[in-house]
Amino acid sequence: IQMTQSPSSLSTSVGDTVTITCRASQYINIFLNWYQQKPGKAPKLLMYETSNLESGVPARFNGSGSGTDFTLTISSLQPEDCATYYCQQSYSTPSTFGQGTKLEIK
Amino acid sequence: EVQLVQSGVEVKKPGESLRISCKGSGYAFTDQWITWVRQMPGKGLEWMGRIDPTDSYTNYSPSFQGHVTISVDKTINTAYLQWSSLKASDTATYYCARLKTVAGPFDFWGQGTLVAVSS
Repeated sequence: IQMTQSPSSLSTSVGDTVTITCRASQYINIFLNWYQQKPGKAPKLLMYETSNLESGVPARFNGSGSGTDFTLTISSLQPEDCATYYCQQSYSTPSTFGQGTKLEIK
Repeated sequence: EVQLVQSGVEVKKPGESLRISCKGSGYAFTDQWITWVRQMPGKGLEWMGRIDPTDSYTNYSPSFQGHVTISVDKTINTAYLQWSSLKASDTATYYCARLKTVAGPFDFWGQGTLVAVSS
């Protein structure tokens, strides 16, 4: 299953709201997860099964979608949100990731 | 506190063998599967395979099947990723992670092991 994220990168400002889109090449039900990766660090789980916030993740992060189309919305952007975001399908093996969305905060 | 601690940086030559490790602590190691993820320099994340620490049952991505071996020693809460003959294209950072559920997300990650392969 191929995962396609858009945009590949975006530049935004503190306080803004951004939406990242992830599209699966075939049906994956709700088995879509989101990760945040900062430079030189391991990825961190943000959201699982589309809309479940991982423990400790701020409520500014919100996930939605089902089937093949999914979104991650980050509201009230903070400087620490500067990172690359990846979607991942865990519906079937091999699990696959999107190519990543690099978020820059001006 | 759940932790996955990986072994350190490796610098190897093409054709050499290598085994890197991932030691789990802070949870019942056999309760959850371990997976390995590759990240080549400046690139995205690629799922390599997963292992059930209870019985060492493994699944591999077709992209990595036959080139790496995933194993586990549950007596010391440690998972391994092994190559018998490295290539320059194996240069990457390798992460282990714990699966939240068998078919679920990766909820805890190791710090990564950089493997550099060069003649």
